Amino acid sequence: NAGVTQTPKFRVLKTGQSMTLLCAQDMNHEYMYWYRQDPGMGLRLIHYSVGEGTTAKGEVPDGYNVSRLKKQNFLLGLESAAPSQTSVYFCASSYRNRGQPQHFGDGTRLSIL
Amino acid sequence: GESVGLHLPTLSVQEGDNSIINCAYSNSASDYFIWYKQESGKGPQFIIDIRSNMDKRQGQRVTVLLNKTVKHLSLQIAATQPGDSAVYFCAESARGSTLGRLYFGRGTQLTVWP
Repeated sequence: NAGVTQTPKFRVLKTGQSMTLLCAQDMNHEYMYWYRQDPGMGLRLIHYSVGEGTTAKGEVPDGYNVSRLKKQNFLLGLESAAPSQTSVYFCASSYRNRGQPQHFGDGTRLSIL
Repeated sequence: GESVGLHLPTLSVQEGDNSIINCAYSNSASDYFIWYKQESGKGPQFIIDIRSNMDKRQGQRVTVLLNKTVKHLSLQIAATQPGDSAVYFCAESARGSTLGRLYFGRGTQLTVWP
């Protein structure tokens, strides 16, 4: 019953460093999403993917890149971390795009100093 | 654009009482709604969903009511338990929106007192 697994769970970076957040799902879902959650802001969509090899921009894509080389994995990269990217990052997946709930991982808590 | 919001940011109830969490939306094209529960340090967990062709849907101890006339959604939790303490989000998507994107409200913090 793994569902959506995110690694790492916590990370502290210095400004300008790079890192990759990994999301893996074992539900054979086509659609995958990356969100960030900030106090008082709710969940905001960063990037999403409608299938292996495809990615697209969401609401707040600047400063992030993504890749979906395998159906079960969706990677979120920060090339040059900035303090404004301090947040909790959630990955989600769904079977199809309409009328189905998205299933979330437990998040990565990222602090940029 | 779509907007999803909540009337109350916090709700405190006594154990055993019923809880009602409200949500308003503004897009009349919204046709799919979800309630999520988020416990501290965890990701949002799906509770129940409802489509716009329904007014009410029941799950285990939870009921979602949809009033399309006033664009209002509510989550009712029966016999609230301490384990129900969490932040509850509503989310909606609209016909014709890109990817069937979900738009999330900011959440209501439910606290259950013994």
